[in-house]
Amino acid sequence: QQQVKQSPQSLIVQKGGISIINCAYENTAFDYFPWYQQFPGKGPALLIAIRPDVSEKKEGRFTISFNKSAKQFSLHIMDSQPGDSATYFCAASKGGGSNYKLTFGKGTLLTVNP
Amino acid sequence: DAGVTQSPTHLIKTRGQQVTLRCSPKSGHDTVSWYQQALGQGPQFIFQYYEEEERQRGNFPDRFSGHQFPNYSSELNVNALLLGDSALYLCASSLVGGRTGELFFGEGSRLTVL
Repeated sequence: QQQVKQSPQSLIVQKGGISIINCAYENTAFDYFPWYQQFPGKGPALLIAIRPDVSEKKEGRFTISFNKSAKQFSLHIMDSQPGDSATYFCAASKGGGSNYKLTFGKGTLLTVNP
Repeated sequence: DAGVTQSPTHLIKTRGQQVTLRCSPKSGHDTVSWYQQALGQGPQFIFQYYEEEERQRGNFPDRFSGHQFPNYSSELNVNALLLGDSALYLCASSLVGGRTGELFFGEGSRLTVL
């Protein structure tokens, strides 16, 4: 059972454009939703995260939109740059503190053309 | 400030063999989690260690075992290797009571089973 579904599988955007990646979850007990960025040969790095008590969180060019009723959340990358080309993973977990497990989506390969 | 370090970076084994992967957490962190990332997939949670005990476990067989040492470093052991165990094994560290969600990943150990 795939608890976190991510789309699209791949995405090509022109420099300066907006990249949008979507995720849907099934487990209503999830209460923490991070996005990770992974470059080839590297481990995933936390990009931005949100909790369900807010509908949007923005950090620089990166914004998470969260829809609790639809059980969906998305990552928007504004003014996309070639350096943003990477694989992006959404994830979800339940429980507080840092001793919990993350359930990841399958990832989106983003390519930003110059 | 050293991040999460893993060794070895690459290794090749044959079916039926055993493998040990090692992880040193980020300085100041006390919790280590292990994830398996198959090619083209998101990371999957294997287990988590805190205070030298396994605290949580994902859906992995008993062939996967681990250990945490008093200095917080950790090992992942896989016995009776199968072809399907070929993957990138990621170690992530965190601090119990620290900022929620701040999982720091290493660059991984790439295991190939022939």
